[in-house]
Amino acid sequence: RKEVEQDPGPFNVPEGATVAFNCTYSNSASQSFFWYRQDCRKEPKLLMSVYSSGNEDGRFTAQLNRASQYISLLIRDSKLSDSATYLCVVNPNFGNEKLTFGTGTRLTIIP
Amino acid sequence: DARVTQTPRHKVTEMGQEVTMRCQPILGHNTVFWYRQTMMQGLELLAYFRNRAPLDDSGMPKDRFSAEMPDATLATLKIQPSEPRDSAVYFCASGLYAGQQPQHFGDGTRLSIL
Repeated sequence: RKEVEQDPGPFNVPEGATVAFNCTYSNSASQSFFWYRQDCRKEPKLLMSVYSSGNEDGRFTAQLNRASQYISLLIRDSKLSDSATYLCVVNPNFGNEKLTFGTGTRLTIIP
Repeated sequence: DARVTQTPRHKVTEMGQEVTMRCQPILGHNTVFWYRQTMMQGLELLAYFRNRAPLDDSGMPKDRFSAEMPDATLATLKIQPSEPRDSAVYFCASGLYAGQQPQHFGDGTRLSIL
């Protein structure tokens, strides 16, 4: 089983719709979680950290479910500029900075 | 905004040649990571440093790859000799070892080995 698993998509979603991605992780001791966004031919950029209590940043909401070992990302009122690949990222070891990246979920927002 | 700086942005060379990629981490960051990204494999961690000391290079082919951090403002990744299968985008990222902090990526070096 992969350490971090994501549905690769692609997700093709009409503009204005709500879209959600899930990501599962295998190490129950994982300590920190992030969502990164990667545009075509660009570097990954931090979208948001994921906190145990869940957190929101504008149209984006991230949730963590430790019992089921998954994190989610919800995008409301999707914009054309949200088209990108979304990478689920997990730090599986406390005190170790190594991050494990999922292979990404590709999202295309359709006008 | 502080950024991780990587050079060169693009590199095309023939197999067998030496390739050196450079990275300037964000000032004050004490962890540096080298990743390779291909369509097939996604992001793979090659090596990482904390306070300039190499901590893990298990993802790196040791026979041809080497990573160093001669000072706090420069990290290098070298391939010698290069092979066509090394063609990929190489990213450097830096972070702060203080709790569970995210990493910040440079623009990457797009490497093509002919």
